[in-house]
Amino acid sequence: NAGVIQTPRHKVTGKGQEATLWCEPISGHSAVFWYRQTIVQGLEFLTYFRNQAPIDDSGMPKERFSAQMPNQSHSTLKIQSTQPQDSAVYLCASSLRASQNTLYFGAGTRLSVL
Amino acid sequence: AQSVTQPDARVTVSEGASLQLRCKYSYFGTPYLFWYVQYPRQGLQLLLKYYPGDPVVQGVNGFEAEFSKSNSSFHLRKASVHWSDWAVYFCAVDMGYKLTFGTGTSLLVDP
Repeated sequence: NAGVIQTPRHKVTGKGQEATLWCEPISGHSAVFWYRQTIVQGLEFLTYFRNQAPIDDSGMPKERFSAQMPNQSHSTLKIQSTQPQDSAVYLCASSLRASQNTLYFGAGTRLSVL
Repeated sequence: AQSVTQPDARVTVSEGASLQLRCKYSYFGTPYLFWYVQYPRQGLQLLLKYYPGDPVVQGVNGFEAEFSKSNSSFHLRKASVHWSDWAVYFCAVDMGYKLTFGTGTSLLVDP
């Protein structure tokens, strides 16, 4: 079991460019989460999928952020027209099932917007 | 609002000394609580979790935590700290399907 895999580990974009972050959850896990981590805001929930269906995207900035889970083996977080304030570590996590269950985190993707 | 608070941003202890990291929760009902650790340039890893039952929970690497309903607390303890415990520690509360995290406590270990 390789754990949750996130690629790339580090991504640098110019202001206004698009960034796509990838997550491969642990096989057999039905719940996938995206969190954003910054020094100022700490760990912020972004979005949640259960059995590939989007359940809660209440933490997603509405205009430029989107997330998808086209199949059970990967999820993507896309940020259009990146801004310097999007610079953060984006963490993906999966769990065997939703509710009261352990989250297993990937190592994260550090996004740097210049 | 339901949340967790970690009042100490940074704690420094000497190697071999005992440790307590504080976590206070605000939650309607009985919470499910977690402690995670984050080593440099890594994701978060579970240390231990509390489900309603025994208030003292044992975790990995000698860590334990005690749930107190009267104090609304879930403090993390370790009897003897090792240099490898140098990391950031996060308390979290289960909000039904997602976790809400505290701001974290950075643990520094003096050799």
